[in-house]
Amino acid sequence: KAGVTQTPRYLIKTRGQQVTLSCSPISGHRSVSWYQQTPGQGLQFLFEYFSETQRNKGNFPGRFSGRQFSNSRSEMNVSTLELGDSALYLCASSSEGNLNQPQHFGDGTRLSIL
Amino acid sequence: GENVEQHPSTLSVQEGDSAVIKCTYSDSASNYFPWYKQELGKRPQLIIDIRSNVGEKKDQRIAVTLNKTAKHFSLHITETQPEDSAVYFCAAYRGYQKVTFGIGTKLQVIP
Repeated sequence: KAGVTQTPRYLIKTRGQQVTLSCSPISGHRSVSWYQQTPGQGLQFLFEYFSETQRNKGNFPGRFSGRQFSNSRSEMNVSTLELGDSALYLCASSSEGNLNQPQHFGDGTRLSIL
Repeated sequence: GENVEQHPSTLSVQEGDSAVIKCTYSDSASNYFPWYKQELGKRPQLIIDIRSNVGEKKDQRIAVTLNKTAKHFSLHITETQPEDSAVYFCAAYRGYQKVTFGIGTKLQVIP
């Protein structure tokens, strides 16, 4: 099975712009979660989608949004970019179930804000 | 919200020695506790996990213990090897994949 694929791998933007990141989960996985990783804050949960519905959300401002398509692919959008948004953005997918299932991470998109 | 404290932040051990990393969580509703290994420039990878109805789990040189009463869980690596050098993250999950990660422990195994 192919792993979790994130595109693009690297992105450079300037303050005020917006950006869209893409994540294709492992085939058959319907849960997709997004995380922000920075040296100072570590790994922080952004949101989780399952069957095109956001089921859970972390403590990030409304500038961070996402969506999931019927094929389980997910996109994350950040509007009005700030310098502090520079980070590695990771997505992870897992199979469905009543219990939390192990997550499989992608390689991430490294976003740099100038 | 959930708070996960992870100690130590850095750990150096001699090859062949054991390494122990500890995490404490605050939300008693957390029910799934995985450990991830992240090598420099690579994705986090699950190395072992434990659910709240189990006290201990072992996989070769790696083991995890969970004390639900005290709300802490620990990662134990025995007979450490240089390839074990990485950053290790603990995590506490509750609800639908709602997770809080520890800040990470940088493990260095000295040959």
